[in-house]
Amino acid sequence: EIVMTQSPATLSVSPGERATLSCRASQSVSSNLAWYQQKPGQAPRLLIYGASTRATGIPARFSGSGSGTEFTLTISSLQPEDFAVYFCQQYSNWPPRFTFGPGTKLDIK
Amino acid sequence: QVQLVESGGGVVQPGGSLRLSCAVSGLTFNNYGMNWVRQAPGKGLEWVAFIRYDGVNKYYADSVKGRFTISRDNSKNTLYLQMNSLRAEDTAVYYCAKDLFHRYDPGYYFEYWGQGTLVTVSS
Repeated sequence: EIVMTQSPATLSVSPGERATLSCRASQSVSSNLAWYQQKPGQAPRLLIYGASTRATGIPARFSGSGSGTEFTLTISSLQPEDFAVYFCQQYSNWPPRFTFGPGTKLDIK
Repeated sequence: QVQLVESGGGVVQPGGSLRLSCAVSGLTFNNYGMNWVRQAPGKGLEWVAFIRYDGVNKYYADSVKGRFTISRDNSKNTLYLQMNSLRAEDTAVYYCAKDLFHRYDPGYYFEYWGQGTLVTVSS
């Protein structure tokens, strides 16, 4: 079973600054990785899939990179609405499994 | 506008059963695989089950296999999750989520999510 880890658990950044969030897989997942944003009391929202492709309607300040076991979500200039929890997710074709990381909470500094 | 609306959550005793529903609108439902994903209070996300666009293939997380059954009625644009032999550790908000890609088996990513329905397993 592939285990996903995220670091840091909490990241404090000031509005307008850059935020860099990390996700690591216990074994290679190629580019089969997504990032989601979740705000309190809301459902998650798909931001990035295929490690680097922005989902429909996602602002260009969100970018994803990486492959294999190391992935990064970068938010280039933090807006007030970006403070939330971010999860990474990988999928395995067989047996079909979808595994999320524990999340990174992005706090206002 | 795509909408997913879950219902059927509530409080149930350990060992009991519950059926969740997810009504979907704004898309061609029978073109997409669907999933259930849950989130225990204050915790992370856990994928529960997937069903192919036509209902032929179904996959489950090990934690629910043999207890939960995913199904769909494409004539009603509705997804279901039958939950039996419920345990305290099944307590969570249950989300239905649509696959990103058209007619993939299994799906890869979760594009649209409902608002969730809370299931509490407690005596």
